[in-house]
Amino acid sequence: EVQLVESGGGLVQPGGSLRLSCAASGFTINNYWMHWVRQAPGKGLVWVSRIKSDGSVTDYADSVKGRFTISRDNPKNTLYLQMNSLRVEDTAVYYCARGVGGYSVFDYWGQGALVTVSS
Amino acid sequence: DIQMTQSPSSLSASVGDRVTITCRASQGFSNSLAWYQQKPGKAPKLLFYGASRLESGVPSRFSGSGSGTDYTLTISSLQPEDFATYYCQSFYSTPTFGQGTKVEIK
Repeated sequence: EVQLVESGGGLVQPGGSLRLSCAASGFTINNYWMHWVRQAPGKGLVWVSRIKSDGSVTDYADSVKGRFTISRDNPKNTLYLQMNSLRVEDTAVYYCARGVGGYSVFDYWGQGALVTVSS
Repeated sequence: DIQMTQSPSSLSASVGDRVTITCRASQGFSNSLAWYQQKPGKAPKLLFYGASRLESGVPSRFSGSGSGTDYTLTISSLQPEDFATYYCQSFYSTPTFGQGTKVEIK
C-alpha cells in the first residue's frame, strides 16, 4: 500500500525555520517526481514545490522562491522541505504528494503537516 | 502563469441531482487538467486527469470533458458521499489549482 507520512510541522515565530519530512512506503520515490502542496486554513490548494526523481531539477512557487528548499533522500525514501524566513502567510497544512508519470498530477497524498507561523 | 477559475464557488444539490462544475483557464492548453475531491480534514483525492482519464476506483458517475480553456466535471447522479469540495488543476506548466467548488446538501 502506498503511503506518505509527513512530519516536522509545528508552531514557529515569523522569521524562523522548520523542516518538513515526508516518509514514503509501498513504492520507491526514486521513480517519481515529488511535490509539496499547501492549504491555508479554510482556503484552497496551492502548489509549493517539486523535485525530479533524481533530484536534478527543482521548481518553486514564486511565493516561496529563495526561502524554501526541496530535497530528497532516495535511499531513505524520504522527501524534505526546508522552510526559512517563515511568514505569517505561510501558515498552512503542507501535503507531500507523488507525481503521476512525470506530470504534475498528484495521485497519492500524505495526511498533511500543520505549520503555524505566529508570534 | 495560467490562472484557473472555477464556477460556481459553491452549490447546493440533492441526492440524485446532476451536478456540473466548470473550470476556465486564462490560456488554452491540450487536456492538461486534473480534478480532485477533498472532504473536510482529509487530503485531496485524484478523480481524473487528462480531462477525462478516470482514476482506478472512482465511480463512473464522475466524468470530465473539455479542451482549450473550458473544462467541466459532471456528477451524473449525486450520492451522499459526493458532498465535498472539488478542485480543478492545470498541469500544463506551473501546477495551478482553481479556487474550489463546495458541493453542499440542499
